[in-house]
Amino acid sequence: DTGVSQDPRHKITKRGQNVTFRCDPISEHNRLYWYRQTLGQGPEFLTYFQNEAQLEKSRLLSDRFSAERPKGSFSTLEIQRTEQGDSAMYLCASSARGMGYGYTFGSGTRLTVV
Amino acid sequence: AQTVTQSQPEMSVQEAETVTLSCTYDTSESDYYLFWYKQPPSRQMILVIRQEAYKQQNATENRFSVNFQKAAKSFSLKISDSQLGDAAMYFCAPLSGTYKYIFGTGTRLKVLA
Repeated sequence: DTGVSQDPRHKITKRGQNVTFRCDPISEHNRLYWYRQTLGQGPEFLTYFQNEAQLEKSRLLSDRFSAERPKGSFSTLEIQRTEQGDSAMYLCASSARGMGYGYTFGSGTRLTVV
Repeated sequence: AQTVTQSQPEMSVQEAETVTLSCTYDTSESDYYLFWYKQPPSRQMILVIRQEAYKQQNATENRFSVNFQKAAKSFSLKISDSQLGDAAMYFCAPLSGTYKYIFGTGTRLKVLA
């Protein structure tokens, strides 16, 4: 297992287009998280899954954003009708049971909306 | 709600010297962990060190150690014998039963050769 994988690494899209990102967590991790990070800021929580259940969504996650984790494996984050303010790094992370393990982060998907 | 304050936007350290990055946090949780993460430029976030809040003994991982003051809600990171590869953004974050991190704005560490 090589860690958390995110695809694509970079995405440039025109405003108004839909985009979808994929995250493959560490296989034995039951929790999966999505964060957004803008330049010069710390990551902001978007949503998280325990197995296939989406347990919490941030108010940052407008109804243009949707995330899924079918069968508790990989996850997708879709942004519909992208806006320039959506330009950011989207980070995925996974964790095992228990707070003490912390997260393993992926390398992120950098989205640029033009 | 949890909050994290990293009051040093940027720090510089000479190679082989020691530097301390400060962090204060606020949480109403009684059971939590504290973490420092490192984010090198254009690379993924890496866990540096963790501290269990109920343990008084400060955590140490090789050149990295923490000074945890629970009553003051302070959690600083000390890097000894700094290396060029330590240059990165550093984020401190508490983690409780909500299982989500609230990150501060981070501290950018520059290591001077």
